[in-house]
Amino acid sequence: EVVMTQSPATLSVSPGERATLSCRASQIILSNLAWYQQKPGQAPRLLIFGASNVAPGVPARFSGSGSGTDFTLTISSLQSEDFAVYYCQQYSHWPRTFGPGTKVDFK
Amino acid sequence: EVQLVESGGGLVKPGGSLKLSCAVSGFTLRTYTMNWVRQAPGKGLEWVASISPRSDYIYYADSVRGRFTISRDNAKNSLYLQMNSLRADDTAVYYCARELSVFGVLSGLEYWGQGVLVTVSS
Repeated sequence: EVVMTQSPATLSVSPGERATLSCRASQIILSNLAWYQQKPGQAPRLLIFGASNVAPGVPARFSGSGSGTDFTLTISSLQSEDFAVYYCQQYSHWPRTFGPGTKVDFK
Repeated sequence: EVQLVESGGGLVKPGGSLKLSCAVSGFTLRTYTMNWVRQAPGKGLEWVASISPRSDYIYYADSVRGRFTISRDNAKNSLYLQMNSLRADDTAVYYCARELSVFGVLSGLEYWGQGVLVTVSS
C-alpha cells in the first residue's frame, strides 16, 4: 500500500503568519491527493483535491501544490479558525491511505 | 442540502457483530461512490471501504477485509457497513463519506456524516 507521511507533526504558528505543511507518498500518485481539515469533535472537511484544486467554499488563503510524491498545503495568512489537524490522503491506488496528520496550533 | 447521518453504533463484545447505516439526503445516492472512514480515539483517519454507484466495484482496507461488508440500497438512500468478528482495535468513530467525482474521476471525500461511535469491549 502507499504509505503517506506528513511533516511536521505539529506546527506552531501565530495568527497572520504563513503555514506550510508537507505530505509525501511512498510511491508516485500523480496529482491524486486531497487535503482535509479536522477540528475537535467534527468530521473532516475537504480543502484541496487533485493536489491543487480548492474545494468549493474553502477560503482562498488555502492552496495546494505538488505532484508525484511530494505535496504541500499552504495557508497564506493563518486565521484563528484554521487551528486544526490537517490530513493528506492519496486516492491513486487502493487501498486509499491517509497521512498521520499535522496539528497546527497557536504559537 | 447534502446530509449524511450515520446510525447503529454502540457497545459490542469482542467477536460480536454490528451493522452501521448511513442515511443520505439532498442528492441522488445512485450516482455517487460512497466510503466508510474510521478514527480511533485520539488517532488519525483510516479509510475502511468504498463502493461504486452500482455496487460493481468494492474495495476494503486490509485491516477489515473478510470481516466487514459494505453495501448500499440506492432506492432507500442508504449505505451500510456490516461488521463481524469485531476486535478491540475496531473501536472508533465511523464516518460515511461521499466521493467527489470530477468528470468521472474520483477525487476525494467531499461530504461527511457526523460519525457514529463503535466501542468493542468486554
